[in-house]
Parts: sequence; structure tokens; C-alpha cells
Amino acid sequence: NAGVMQNPRHLVRRRGQEARLRCSPMKGHSHVYWYRQLPEEGLKFMVYLQKENIIDESGMPKERFSAEFPKEGPSILRIQQVVRGDSAAYFCASSPTKEMRGAFFGQGTRLTVV
Amino acid sequence: DAKTTQPPSMDCAEGRAANLPCNHSTISGNEYVYWYRQIHSQGPQYIIHGLKNNETNEMASLIITEDRKSSTLILPHATLRDTAVYYCIVRVVASETSGSRLTFGEGTQLTVNP
Repeated sequence: NAGVMQNPRHLVRRRGQEARLRCSPMKGHSHVYWYRQLPEEGLKFMVYLQKENIIDESGMPKERFSAEFPKEGPSILRIQQVVRGDSAAYFCASSPTKEMRGAFFGQGTRLTVV
Repeated sequence: DAKTTQPPSMDCAEGRAANLPCNHSTISGNEYVYWYRQIHSQGPQYIIHGLKNNETNEMASLIITEDRKSSTLILPHATLRDTAVYYCIVRVVASETSGSRLTFGEGTQLTVNP
């Protein structure tokens, strides 16, 4: 399967724990975008990364959220000290260039904070 | 970003053509129109995009008016599996400091009925 792979598909965390969401882009894609979809709401942009660089994090909450895309390995979205309001579906998309033209999305990680 | 306006919901009979309208009256000359869809709980799926000319692929056709202020996505023979939220998006032009992230609106919930 050469698609965008996200894992885990479902993640349950207790309030105060950390959540790590992984996104492996399509082969040859070095640009990754993360989006969040709260229940019954639309997709909201969070962050755009290239290998080893955060390019645009204008949609990221200022606290507790961070993202990285190391030279080797998947992109990671990290949420520290999760709260119930973080419960959402988190999607990543990858693209071969900085243009999102024809970008492909993964199936998402559904985070539930209990 | 140029704002887009779509009807919140539409119905279509199975086997008939589904025509989904989108208004984007403030679109700039170098901005593309993209269509994505999201089938319940899945990641968004790219459908088609265009600049000026009408476009067709194996999934759909995109008709853009001559003044580019509106467009229509056509699913020629809708099936039950086409039931989804369809998003019309005008792409932000990429710059050196930001990608061309896609800004999702509310979309149109298309329901294909048997």
C-alpha cells in the first residue's frame, strides 16, 4: 500500500497523558500537512512541514501541541497533557512539492480523551 | 483565500447525474479550484481540480464558468457510495514561507438515494 499511512487509527488517552500520532507520507513525498476535525465540524489546518523543518504552524494551538518531520521516519504530531477538548480526528496529507495540488490524505487517527 | 459558497445539502437519485455547484466570486486569476470529498469518517479524497478549462477524469467532470466566479462538479452516474461531503476549495498560492494549504469550508452533504 503506497498511500499515506497514519497510526494508530484509534487512540484512547486519559486526561493529562501524552498522545503521539504518526504519519508516514507517500513514497517520494517530502511535504506533510496536518489537519484536525472536531466532532461534527470541518477540517482545520494545523501545521505544514517539510523534512526537518516546520514551514507554517499558524493553525497549531500555542500550548501542548508540537509537530516534527525528521530526516528519517514518520511525521509526528505530539499532544502533551491531553484534555477532553482534544478529542478529534487528526488527518495528515502528503505532497511531493510545497503545492498541495492533488495531495493525498491518510485515513486519520481518532483520538479519544477520557 | 477566495471564499467559496456551497449549498449545505443535496439529494440525488442513484444512477442520475449529481451536479454540485460552488460560487467563488472573489477568485484570483492564478488560483485553482479543487474538489475533495469526505466519505463518513474517512480521510478526504481528491477528486479533480482546474484553472480555466473544463476538466474530466475517471471520477468526475469540472465545469468552470468563463468568468471563473462559479463552478460545478458533475458525477455523471451517482452511486450510493458517492454519498459524502463534497468540498469546493480555492487554493492558496504557495509562497516560500507557506505551503499552498487547502482551506476546507462546510461543503455540501450529498446523499444518493436508491
